[in-house]
Amino acid sequence: AQTVTQSQPEMSVQEAETVTLSCTYDTSESDYYLFWYKQPPSRQMILVIRQEAYKQQNATENRFSVNFQKAAKSFSLKISDSQLGDAAMYFCAYKGATSGSRLTFGEGTQLTVNP
Amino acid sequence: NAGVTQTPKFQVLKTGQSMTLQCAQDMNHEYMSWYRQDPGMGLRLIHYSVGAGITDQGEVPNGYNVSRSTTEDFPLRLLSAAPSQTSVYFCASSVGLTGGARELFFGEGSRLTVL
Repeated sequence: AQTVTQSQPEMSVQEAETVTLSCTYDTSESDYYLFWYKQPPSRQMILVIRQEAYKQQNATENRFSVNFQKAAKSFSLKISDSQLGDAAMYFCAYKGATSGSRLTFGEGTQLTVNP
Repeated sequence: NAGVTQTPKFQVLKTGQSMTLQCAQDMNHEYMSWYRQDPGMGLRLIHYSVGAGITDQGEVPNGYNVSRSTTEDFPLRLLSAAPSQTSVYFCASSVGLTGGARELFFGEGSRLTVL
């Protein structure tokens, strides 16, 4: 079974600084997809960024980018120029190519942004 | 722009009571699912459905029943609530069944407390 591990329960960053959230996963599949979801205090889960494992290029969405290391099974999220609105719980998630739409989530990392 | 709608948002039950969490989506998504979120454990899949009349178990199905009579609705039933079912529940849906990097769309969550 696939597992997703986020080893940082809590992180903090100063406004305008850069922070990196870590995620590792374990799988025997060669084709899969990885996601980062954000959960603000409102509880609404919002997709931040996604990565296809077959793509070598790291995904980028504005201030959000990933460092995807397939051999190391690592998928970290970098947030640049952090803003107060980035404060949230962040979840890393895995989906195998043969898993339909089923996601496996990590434990989450609570990000605090200090003014 | 309703998306995925969950009701109720909050509920308190006594041990042994039954209840149904409602989930409806207006995006004509084939795939629907229920997750529970517990501190330090991320989101775990309870049940999912790939279309009307088709349901299957996820990672933590015990104590929960589901049915899918229409494409739009996917209710989650607790037949005899237990304190271990105290959690935040999320309904999520997605277009398509064959994976890919398709986004899961989430409802706002339902906080359930079982006394």
